[in-house]
Amino acid sequence: DSGVTQTPKHLITATGQRVTLRCSPRSGDLSVYWYQQSLDQGLQFLIQYYNGEERAKGNILERFSAQQFPDLHSELNLSSLELGDSALYFCASSVAGTSLETQYFGPGTRLLVL
Amino acid sequence: AQTVTQSQPEMSVQEAETVTLSCTYDTSENNYYLFWYKQPPSRQMILVIRQEAYKQQNATENRFSVNFQKAAKSFSLKISDSQLGDTAMYFCAFMKHIASGSRLTFGEGTQLTVNP
Repeated sequence: DSGVTQTPKHLITATGQRVTLRCSPRSGDLSVYWYQQSLDQGLQFLIQYYNGEERAKGNILERFSAQQFPDLHSELNLSSLELGDSALYFCASSVAGTSLETQYFGPGTRLLVL
Repeated sequence: AQTVTQSQPEMSVQEAETVTLSCTYDTSENNYYLFWYKQPPSRQMILVIRQEAYKQQNATENRFSVNFQKAAKSFSLKISDSQLGDTAMYFCAFMKHIASGSRLTFGEGTQLTVNP
């Protein structure tokens, strides 16, 4: 158990809908990261937050947005869902969000868009 | 941009034997970090080992060790005394050294099966 929690574990929804994925980092970690794992694109970095502020952005679609709240939990919002958004979405966390640290991954949220 | 390549989509090994997984990467950076993550059937991503590019000594964690060849941009993982629990997808990953912000760039993965 990495100490990173993600909810829900599974999510099934329809095209065009909007969903919110939630992540709580390890105790003491200030930075969270979101990754998407799909059959087509493999594991891709989406976005990083540090202490409530966006720090790095990867291949995140405009239909997707994220935020980190004062209690340090993070939410990834996916809207206008398409079939291709079906994937496993991971959250990871680290203490200060620098490359000197290891990122610890949560168990993931498996999203299925029908 | 950095790329990570794992040229072996699948590998298998007998229990108690040794296996080596290959990884190459492309970068113009001089300071960076390399990782091997393991993803068992539970789909959890578990850190196996980490290597700092500035360190010449290869990292070792119990039965897991790496062969880091900076000039060749190669980073292979050796698993000794393979166990059934080592069956998993293994991902090689790269992170460049920057003061703020960090992201992992992953390879395509190698599915390792340990046979009894």
